[in-house]
Amino acid sequence: DTGVSQNPRHKITKRGQNVTFRCDPISEHNRLYWYRQTLGQGPEFLTYFQNEAQLEKSRLLSDRFSAERPKGSFSTLEIQRTEQGDSAMYLCASSSRINEKLFFGSGTQLSVL
Amino acid sequence: QQQVKQSPQSLIVQKGGISIINCAYENTAFDYFPWYQQFPGKGPALLIAIRPDVSEKKEGRFTISFNKSAKQFSLHIMDSQPGDSATYFCAASPQFQGAQKLVFGQGTRLTINP
Repeated sequence: DTGVSQNPRHKITKRGQNVTFRCDPISEHNRLYWYRQTLGQGPEFLTYFQNEAQLEKSRLLSDRFSAERPKGSFSTLEIQRTEQGDSAMYLCASSSRINEKLFFGSGTQLSVL
Repeated sequence: QQQVKQSPQSLIVQKGGISIINCAYENTAFDYFPWYQQFPGKGPALLIAIRPDVSEKKEGRFTISFNKSAKQFSLHIMDSQPGDSATYFCAASPQFQGAQKLVFGQGTRLTINP
């Protein structure tokens, strides 16, 4: 499978715990994005990487959220001290320098109890 | 100014009919307008996209109509099929160094009755 891969698919955690999600973009895609989608809503932009550089962060990304993309390959999104309001689908997407099309993964569904 | 408003929230169409979903935007800096299709448990998949220099783009059964002066665009699905039943999102983005900070509409749940 050469699409965007996200792990885990589902994560259930207790409030206050830390969670980390992983995204493997399409090979050779240098741009990687994180979006968040709540039930019944469209995805919302969180942050964006070009290679290993995090170029932009949305105001939605509080200090409890941190994203990394070491070596410009896979990316991780960590949420510290999770809150019930963090419950959502976290989507990763990637695109190439040449082709502007954005390809999304199937997401990680987070439930904070 | 960042909003994209989408309507209707839900739509039921008979098989073979035309499905029409509308979107309106406010930010004149937007210059890329894609439509995404999302099935339950999956991420959004790009269907078709348009830039403001054309008023219409057609790919197979899917057509985008774009009205720059009204800041509106719409998706038409011709000969709608049960397999088209999904949630559809319009989106818009200002292009900056190739990045796509997409602003999505709230989605339209489309049901095609056989």
